[in-house]
Amino acid sequence: ETVTTQYPGTLSVSPGERATLSCRASQSVSSKVAWYQQKPGQAPRLLIYGASTRATGFPARFSGSGSGTEFTLTISSLQSEDFAVYYCQQYSNWPWTFGQGTKVEIK
Amino acid sequence: QVTLKESGPALVKPTQTLTLTCTFSGFSLSTNGMRVSWVRQPPGKALEWLARIDWDDDKFYSTSLKTRLTISKDTSKNQVVLTMTNMDPVDTATYYCVRIAPTGTTGWYDYWGQGTQVTVSS
Repeated sequence: ETVTTQYPGTLSVSPGERATLSCRASQSVSSKVAWYQQKPGQAPRLLIYGASTRATGFPARFSGSGSGTEFTLTISSLQSEDFAVYYCQQYSNWPWTFGQGTKVEIK
Repeated sequence: QVTLKESGPALVKPTQTLTLTCTFSGFSLSTNGMRVSWVRQPPGKALEWLARIDWDDDKFYSTSLKTRLTISKDTSKNQVVLTMTNMDPVDTATYYCVRIAPTGTTGWYDYWGQGTQVTVSS
């Protein structure tokens, strides 16, 4: 099974600052990575797929990059509504697996 | 418009069997390429994939939970049912029904239900 590891576990960022979240796969997953945003009390919401394609409804300040085993989600200028938990998921190797999440909190 | 909604008991006793139903709209599970999964999330913890069922009735299960899970579909009712036997307090979680994006060779979950919270306690 491909282990998907996210770091850091918690990221403290001030509004307006840049946030960089990382996701590492234990073996190559090509570009088959998705990211989800989850706010308290809500279901996760698809944010990025194909490592870098933004899902409908998310602004351009969200961007994804990477291939192989290392992936990054960047939020260029954090807004109040962006404080949430973010999960990555690989869908290259079966079974598809989630990371343990990165919580982005207000500094 | 795609929607999914989970239903089932909020409280089950240890050793009991949990049955959850996902009722969806906006797509048909009889359409080539359609797939639906169940994902759960214990309180304050990460997401865990449980099971998947495809348009052609192929079924897949989490290795660690395989012996306890059964997934099925009723295409006439637009429903997917998950049963989990021998429930334990560690199975306390929010259970989500999710659709896998159907376009091409995909594996991301493009639509999520609101989730149903299940507590296992005597």
